[in-house]
Amino acid sequence: EAGVAQSPRYKIIEKRQSVAFWCNPISGHATLYWYQQILGQGPKLLIQFQNNGVVDDSQLPKDRFSAERLKGVDSTLKIQPAKLEDSAVYLCASSLTKSANYGYTFGSGTRLTVV
Amino acid sequence: GQQLNQSPQSMFIQEGEDVSMNCTSSSIFNTWLWYKQDPGEGPVLLIALYKAGELTSNGRLTAQFGITRKDSFLNISASIPSDVGIYFCAGPPGNTPLVFGKGTRLSVIA
Repeated sequence: EAGVAQSPRYKIIEKRQSVAFWCNPISGHATLYWYQQILGQGPKLLIQFQNNGVVDDSQLPKDRFSAERLKGVDSTLKIQPAKLEDSAVYLCASSLTKSANYGYTFGSGTRLTVV
Repeated sequence: GQQLNQSPQSMFIQEGEDVSMNCTSSSIFNTWLWYKQDPGEGPVLLIALYKAGELTSNGRLTAQFGITRKDSFLNISASIPSDVGIYFCAGPPGNTPLVFGKGTRLSVIA
């Protein structure tokens, strides 16, 4: 089966600019996650979707970050305006159900550098 | 938020040596997962553990679910160059998404 697809792979922007990342999960996976991984850290959850509804966005900095999954398949994550501390790898993951017990399948990530 | 503490942070070993790393939590977990991340890639699931005391193997990798349910261990036997990467423990604290440790970075010297 095809894996989780993410684009772009790399992005360099200046601070205060906006940027968007795209994710296409594994076909049939109802649950989609966006994680932020800062260099030297483990992934940290930003938002969890179940189909096209938000389940958990408690750690999403909502003043600058937004995410949507309009048709319950693809998702986009946007940052506007970007700050230097947003430099990180943004990982998308998906799972068949909301249960975390069987793990998630991750995409290769988008590496964002804010200068 | 919930934190998982992994140790060591990094290790350099000779090819052929065995490796041990561990992960501890301040609260009880019902599931422990171990992931490996190669450079430029997302984490890949290696082993999943579901019961206290459980020992599970995947090739040269063996992981254990600690008896207190607050820790887990990963061992790699006879390391090879492709074992290089970052190993993360992860688990769901309750009925919530996965939280990850900071990782153990493994370097193998041929």
